[in-house]
Amino acid sequence: SAVISQKPSRDICQRGTSLTIQCQVDSQVTMMFWYRQQPGQSLTLIATANQGSEATYESGFVIDKFPISRPNLTFSTLTVSNMSPEDSSIYLCSVGERGRGDTFGSGTRLTVV
Amino acid sequence: GENVEQHPSTLSVQEGDSAVIKCTYSDSASNYFPWYKQELGKRPQLIIDIRSNVGEKKDQRIAVTLNKTAKHFSLHITETQPEDSAVYFCAAESQAGTALIFGKGTTLSVSS
Repeated sequence: SAVISQKPSRDICQRGTSLTIQCQVDSQVTMMFWYRQQPGQSLTLIATANQGSEATYESGFVIDKFPISRPNLTFSTLTVSNMSPEDSSIYLCSVGERGRGDTFGSGTRLTVV
Repeated sequence: GENVEQHPSTLSVQEGDSAVIKCTYSDSASNYFPWYKQELGKRPQLIIDIRSNVGEKKDQRIAVTLNKTAKHFSLHITETQPEDSAVYFCAAESQAGTALIFGKGTTLSVSS
C-alpha cells in the first residue's frame, strides 16, 4: 500500500493565523482525501482533493476556510485559515486504494491558542 | 449522502470472549465496507474489509459479515486479547471513487 508522509506532525498556532499541512505519497494515486478528527471523535470528511481542479467540499466546510491544493498525483496540501480554538483537532490525509484499504497519513495535531 | 451508524459506542469484554460491533448504512448503492482499528495517538489502520458481492470474510480471529438487504455489516473478534483494546471504526463507500464515510467508533476494552 501507499506510504504517506504528512507534516507537520503537530503545531501550536495563534488564533487568526493560518497553517498549511502537507501530504506526500510515494506513488501516484487518484483519490486523496482530507479528514478532521476531534478528540475522542470519529473521522469527518472535509473534502476530496481533485488533481487539476478545485477540491470537492463536504457540507459545513468551505474553501475560504480550508483551501486545498492538489498539483499532481502524489502531493496535496490543506490550509486551515484564520484559525480559532474550535479548529484545534487532528487533521489526516488519506489515499483511496479500494481493495487494499485506504491509507492514512500520520496526522497533524493542531492546537490553536 | 451516505450515513453510517455504529453500535455500541463502548464494549468491555473479558480476555478470550468474543466481541461484536454492528454498523448500518443508508445508501443502498454502497459497495465497499472497511473496518479500521485506531490505537491511542496513532492513525487508523485497516483490519478487514468486504465488498458487496461477498457475505462474509474472515482473517484469523477477525470476521466481517454483510447483509445488503438489511444494509448492515458487523465485525466479529473471537478469542479477544488485551492488545485488541482500541477504537474500532466502520466505514462505507457510497460510490466508487468517493471518500469513506465513518461510523462514530466503538471503544473496545479487553480485560485480562
